[in-house]
Amino acid sequence: ETGVTQTPRHLVMGMTNKKSLKCEQHLGHNAMYWYKQSAKKPLELMFVYNFKEQTENNSVPSRFSPECPNSSHLFLHLHTLQPEDSALYLCASSPARGGGENEQFFGPGTRLTVL
Amino acid sequence: LAKTTQPISMDSYEGQEVNITCSHNNIATNDYITWYQQFPSQGPRFIIQGYKTKVTNEVASLFIPADRKSSTLSLPRVSLSDTAVYYCLVGAYNQGGKLIFGQGTELSVKP
Repeated sequence: ETGVTQTPRHLVMGMTNKKSLKCEQHLGHNAMYWYKQSAKKPLELMFVYNFKEQTENNSVPSRFSPECPNSSHLFLHLHTLQPEDSALYLCASSPARGGGENEQFFGPGTRLTVL
Repeated sequence: LAKTTQPISMDSYEGQEVNITCSHNNIATNDYITWYQQFPSQGPRFIIQGYKTKVTNEVASLFIPADRKSSTLSLPRVSLSDTAVYYCLVGAYNQGGKLIFGQGTELSVKP
């Protein structure tokens, strides 16, 4: 238990569906992140939020729409996804926006399958 | 951002010490070296972090030579539950949240 929870843990959706992934951290952190991990590939950073403000969008297609209403919650809204978007989506948080020396705490991930 | 290179896979047996070396020739002055562990279908978990020389915690040791162009994660007396992918990352505070994960090293511990 890392203090970062994600729901749902598994999601199957069609290409025309709209769904949302939810992440919540109970650590009092100020930065939150979305990562994508496709099969047998490294994690890819998608979005970074620091104090509710988006500070990084790593060239993510617009069919992925993040939302950060407060420092404890992060959403990833999904619409008109493609089968190649099937992956493990991981949320993480850290005390503050940072790179090397700020430990990131990861949630268990949402396994997304797009049919 | 400094690029890291580590072996794709390693095999070991229970009770052995495992050393995984990571190369980061372009490491910058402000960069820290961090190792994460990831089990299948789970998020990565922080193992250890260092800047120079040697760091030890209850899980592992991290050896960093003076030139900091490489680092070695040492896992003492591994068990089957240490089978996982281990990632070496290099980054600094002023890179604004960028943690660049490479391919990692898939460690397989056998009985």
